[in-house]
Amino acid sequence: SQTIHQWPATLVQPVGSPLSLECTVEGTSNPNLYWYRQAAGRGLQLLFYSVGIGQISSEVPQNLSASRPQDRQFILSSKKLLLSDSGFYLCAWSRVETQYFGPGTRLLVL
Amino acid sequence: AQTVTQSQPEMSVQEAETVTLSCTYDTSESDYYLFWYKQPPSRQMILVIRQEAYKQQNATENRFSVNFQKAAKSFSLKISDSQLGDAAMYFCAYRSAYGTGTASKLTFGTGTRLQVTL
Repeated sequence: SQTIHQWPATLVQPVGSPLSLECTVEGTSNPNLYWYRQAAGRGLQLLFYSVGIGQISSEVPQNLSASRPQDRQFILSSKKLLLSDSGFYLCAWSRVETQYFGPGTRLLVL
Repeated sequence: AQTVTQSQPEMSVQEAETVTLSCTYDTSESDYYLFWYKQPPSRQMILVIRQEAYKQQNATENRFSVNFQKAAKSFSLKISDSQLGDAAMYFCAYRSAYGTGTASKLTFGTGTRLQVTL
């Protein structure tokens, strides 16, 4: 069966510091990968999407970037965090139409 | 652009009773997918049920079933025999059947918080 991992689970970072969140998927190959952000009490907003190694599509321009160095690895990064980057970040994978989510990373920027 | 509306911010149900969560959506597309996800306090999004728009038959997964009304653009979730573990945020989501890339994204509603009481 497929599993999806995210780390760290929780992160507290100062404004202006860099960020790296990692997502890995096991038990499947060539998955579509997604990064979503959830603000407090709201639904999810798509940030990035990837169909393969090195292929990244951005949904909204912002202070974040994504990379896919390996087939089942998806990384969310920032060079300098803003207060507005605080939130809950979820990674998801799919082969066809259904997306399955990881446990998420809670990011607090102070 | 597609939108998803959940008009019930909070709902409450007694254990063993039945509750229905509402969801409406707006789209000009004829083929799409609809989902209900559950987000417990751990905040992991868990797939509850999925419906293909081209299927007239309502999807069912154990105690969870949907009432899909395509013409009315309505997609409600019924939870039967509610259990304490059903307490969570429930999100309705839409996915186009067309396109790839970011066109394959899920569009979420704002969620309904379900409380289950003894």
